[in-house]
Amino acid sequence: DGGITQSPKYLFRKEGQNVTLSCEQNLNHDAMYWYRQDPGQGLRLIYYSQIVNDFQKGDIAEGYSVSREKKESFPLTVTSAQKNPTAFYLCASSADREGATGELFFGEGSRLTVL
Amino acid sequence: QQQVKQSPQSLIVQKGGISIINCAYENTAFDYFPWYQQFPGKGPALLIAIRPDVSEKKEGRFTISFNKSAKQFSLHIMDSQPGDSATYFCAASIEGNTPLVFGKGTRLSVIA
Repeated sequence: DGGITQSPKYLFRKEGQNVTLSCEQNLNHDAMYWYRQDPGQGLRLIYYSQIVNDFQKGDIAEGYSVSREKKESFPLTVTSAQKNPTAFYLCASSADREGATGELFFGEGSRLTVL
Repeated sequence: QQQVKQSPQSLIVQKGGISIINCAYENTAFDYFPWYQQFPGKGPALLIAIRPDVSEKKEGRFTISFNKSAKQFSLHIMDSQPGDSATYFCAASIEGNTPLVFGKGTRLSVIA
């Protein structure tokens, strides 16, 4: 089935460690996104990529890094510089290159807990 | 700066009643307004969307009302059912230009 796969679903990390969240899509979408969800805060954009080998910062990019070496993959690294990394992370993709009007398809999320 | 303000934060509705969630935006350049539905532990999914050339769009029990002059749009869920219990997010974007900006969400509980 086509869709977006995020892994791992749950992840625990010690303070000071980097962690990478995986996002893979087989929808042949050009654009991919990472959002962070906190209770009562909605979805906040971390990074997005409209084409391979190119990506832009979102509203809360500090402490995060991404890469887009393949069209179907958009991993997110949560670095030790991120002050409050415990959150639910959502990856999404869209067929529209700008990603502004096309439907966003979301994965089921990765819940990161820093111990 | 919060570009899309959503209210209420939580809502409890009796089964069969009407659920109403409101959103207001600031950027007059926004021209695409979707609503997403999210069940616990899942990613959001598109529910319904509207563009400002119409004032209302209906899909089944779900209706978006749009007021361009007031810069507001709302989601109405008619005949609300327990299965509608979820978190709802409004969003906005500038067509072909920017990623979606989301509201903070409304947690809807429909009780029997």
